[in-house]
Amino acid sequence: DAMVIQNPRYQVTQFGKPVTLSCSQTLNHNVMYWYQQKSSQAPKLLFHYYDKDFNNEADTPDNFQSRRPNTSFCFLDIRSPGLGDAAMYLCATSRVTTSVDEQFFGPGTRLTVL
Amino acid sequence: DQQVKQNSPSLSVQEGRISILNCDYTNSMFDYFLWYKKYPAEGPTFLISISSIKDKNEDGRFTVFLNKSAKHLSLHIVPSQPGDSAVYFCAASLSNFGNEKLTFGTGTRLTIIP
Repeated sequence: DAMVIQNPRYQVTQFGKPVTLSCSQTLNHNVMYWYQQKSSQAPKLLFHYYDKDFNNEADTPDNFQSRRPNTSFCFLDIRSPGLGDAAMYLCATSRVTTSVDEQFFGPGTRLTVL
Repeated sequence: DQQVKQNSPSLSVQEGRISILNCDYTNSMFDYFLWYKKYPAEGPTFLISISSIKDKNEDGRFTVFLNKSAKHLSLHIVPSQPGDSAVYFCAASLSNFGNEKLTFGTGTRLTIIP
């Protein structure tokens, strides 16, 4: 089945220790998104890639970076995690961004910062 | 500033009855609305959508109603089934910007009581 896969499902890191979350997709979609969802809050878009074009949300902290080496994979790098970065990180894909198109979400990676 | 609000964090409904989930928005420019459903340990999945040119969209047991003057939409599930127990997210967008400006609500946890 075509799907969006996120690894790991649970990640524990220490305060200030860099961490990378990964997302892969078999849908061959052009667009990949990273969302941050804190407890009892709405998912918040951090950035997205349209093919290799990177689009950062204005209020996404510089601490968060992303890489998309090819169509199938996208990585979220948190350079110096703080306690406030503990959250669920959701990866999603869609065919386009220029119209409202269904997004396909992965199961998420829950990040704990000690 | 939460532009999409789901004021009921949780809702319990008897199996077979109607479930009504509500969503309010503040940005009158939003012109496309979606509902996503999320089971534990899974990513959100698309359920149903509606454009602002309509006031109702129906898909099987699911109907979304849009009241533009009140900036309010609702999702009706009838009859409710145990498998409908999940968290439901309302999302809104500006169709010209598509998925780039998709704004989610905080979600409502629906529990169907057998």
